Amino acid sequence: EADIYQTPRYLVIGTGKKITLECSQTMGHDKMYWYQQDPGMELHLIHYSYGVNSTEKGDLSSESTVSRIRTEHFPLTLESARPSHTSQYLCASSELPGANTGELFFGEGSRLTVL
Amino acid sequence: AQSVTQPDIHITVSEGASLELRCNYSYGATPYLFWYVQSPGQGLQLLLKYFSGDTLVQGIKGFEAEFKRSQSSFNLRKPSVHWSDAAEYFCAVAGNAGKSTFGDGTTLTVKP
Repeated sequence: EADIYQTPRYLVIGTGKKITLECSQTMGHDKMYWYQQDPGMELHLIHYSYGVNSTEKGDLSSESTVSRIRTEHFPLTLESARPSHTSQYLCASSELPGANTGELFFGEGSRLTVL
Repeated sequence: AQSVTQPDIHITVSEGASLELRCNYSYGATPYLFWYVQSPGQGLQLLLKYFSGDTLVQGIKGFEAEFKRSQSSFNLRKPSVHWSDAAEYFCAVAGNAGKSTFGDGTTLTVKP
């Protein structure tokens, strides 16, 4: 069973607030990802990381930022939330060192609502 | 660039009937292909994967998928659907650097 955790699961906040979505994995995976999933189901890659101190922008432009100070931790931050940021955010990880299968392990998601 | 197309946005089948969900991919080399399932309010769970070898792969929950290079397809099948199979299903292809591209998903409804 995959061990990747996201907190909070649900968050309702007001416009202008700063929020951080936490993601941690205990599998020793090098690669971690953040996907944004809107009600139409499509998943869009917004950030990814190949390892500590590595962060890259994904295919969908996002006002959020990420950091990767430790292998197991990949938090996502919005400095000033807006209603357009309302969405579900899914964190995923993959690949033990030396492997290259592309199989993703997902957390249960963080559903963000900005009023 | 890699891409995935799931032609069916929504499929309804009766419980006990067979199921096939379609997936077409575009990728220049031999792809890594996946099917994931997502229950409401949850993350995605891997059903099965294809890397190489036998083109018919077995997954969890009685699902299987067949890789057809000539058709650039990786369709998901199940011989007898259960009510608990109602969910969203995503096909994905992983290319260079392990980045996955997902299809838009297919919603499966199961009628009693």
